Amino acid sequence: RKEVEQDPGPFNVPEGATVAFNCTYSNSASQSFFWYRQDCRKEPKLLMSVYSSGNEDGRFTAQLNRASQYISLLIRDSKLSDSATYLCVVSSGGSYIPTFGRGTSLIVHP
Amino acid sequence: GAGVSQSPRYKVAKRGQDVALRCDPISGHVSLFWYQQALGQGPEFLTYFQNEAQLDKSGLPSDRFFAERPEGSVSTLKIQRTQQEDSAVYLCASSLGTGGDLGAYTFGSGTRLTVV
Repeated sequence: RKEVEQDPGPFNVPEGATVAFNCTYSNSASQSFFWYRQDCRKEPKLLMSVYSSGNEDGRFTAQLNRASQYISLLIRDSKLSDSATYLCVVSSGGSYIPTFGRGTSLIVHP
Repeated sequence: GAGVSQSPRYKVAKRGQDVALRCDPISGHVSLFWYQQALGQGPEFLTYFQNEAQLDKSGLPSDRFFAERPEGSVSTLKIQRTQQEDSAVYLCASSLGTGGDLGAYTFGSGTRLTVV
């Protein structure tokens, strides 16, 4: 079983829709969680950190569920420009080495 | 510099050739990571430096892969006797921190290596 798992999608949604992705992790001692966004043939860029209390940034909301070992990302009022791959990142252990999921592809269409 | 700089941007190598990929992190960033990203996959961890110390190299796929950061700033990833399975994008990332915020780091644009 991979340490961080994501549904690769693609999630195909119309503009204005609300879409949610989940990411599960296997190490219960994991301590830091992030969502990164990666556009085609570009480098990953930090979208937001995920705190125990949840985190909201405009149309984006991230949640952490430690009991079930998953994090989620909710995007409201989807825009065409939200089309990208969303990567889940989990870090744990003494060196806090971040581990990436394979990413979830989102396609927002007119 | 303003961001993480990687060079070359593209590299085509003949099978068996040695290559060297360079990463220039954000000035003052203590932590530096190398990742390998195959098409359609997430970045896979290769190695981690804290200043000049290589603290984790557990992700290096074979002894053909070697990384260094001798002065705690610029890092080089060297691949000897390249094979076709080495074809991937090699990403470098740096972070100011060394603790729990380690995941919040900045990536370079990557080097796309194609072995023919």
